[in-house]
Amino acid sequence: DQQVKQNSPSLSVQEGRISILNCDYTNSMFDYFLWYKKYPAEGPTFLISISSIKDKNEDGRFTVFLNKSAKHLSLHIVPSQPGDSAVYFCAASSFGTSYGKLTFGQGTILTVHP
Amino acid sequence: DTGVSQDPRHKITKRGQNVTFRCDPISEHNRLYWYRQTLGQGPEFLTYFQNEAQLEKSRLLSDRFSAERPKGSFSTLEIQRTEQGDSAMYLCASSSQDRPYGYTFGSGTRLTVV
Repeated sequence: DQQVKQNSPSLSVQEGRISILNCDYTNSMFDYFLWYKKYPAEGPTFLISISSIKDKNEDGRFTVFLNKSAKHLSLHIVPSQPGDSAVYFCAASSFGTSYGKLTFGQGTILTVHP
Repeated sequence: DTGVSQDPRHKITKRGQNVTFRCDPISEHNRLYWYRQTLGQGPEFLTYFQNEAQLEKSRLLSDRFSAERPKGSFSTLEIQRTEQGDSAMYLCASSSQDRPYGYTFGSGTRLTVV
């Protein structure tokens, strides 16, 4: 069962515009969410996270929004840059159980065109 | 510290052979995780260690898989009697107890079973 889903396999955006990556989850026990970025031949690197007590977290060009009622989160990148081209994974966890264990979505390939 | 190191980077083996992968975490991290990633999917949790204790194992980890972390430092993941379905990228990550979600991933070991 896919508890974390990224339904868009790919996204193409022009440089300078906004990139919006979406993620849905089904497990209501999840209370901490993260986004990772992955370049080819490298491991995923942490980008930004949000706790379920918040609905927004911002770090520079990256903002994550959480809608708990809809079990949906999104990552906004503004402005998008060609160096942002990578695979983006959302991940979720629960403080109460499996502390530290992450459940990942399938990933979205972001391509930012110059 | 050069981050999380995984060895080898690539491994091609014949079906039925045993393989062993090694992970060297960041020295001050006491948590170590193994994940598996297949094409088009996100990383899937396999197991994790806190120091030398293996605290959780996924049901994905069949009896053919075993992981160890002697002395709480490096870890090994062994797959016995490999099958074609074991072909995947095996990712190791480490984190500290006070920042359990602050994973640092290694670049992974790509296993191909022929």
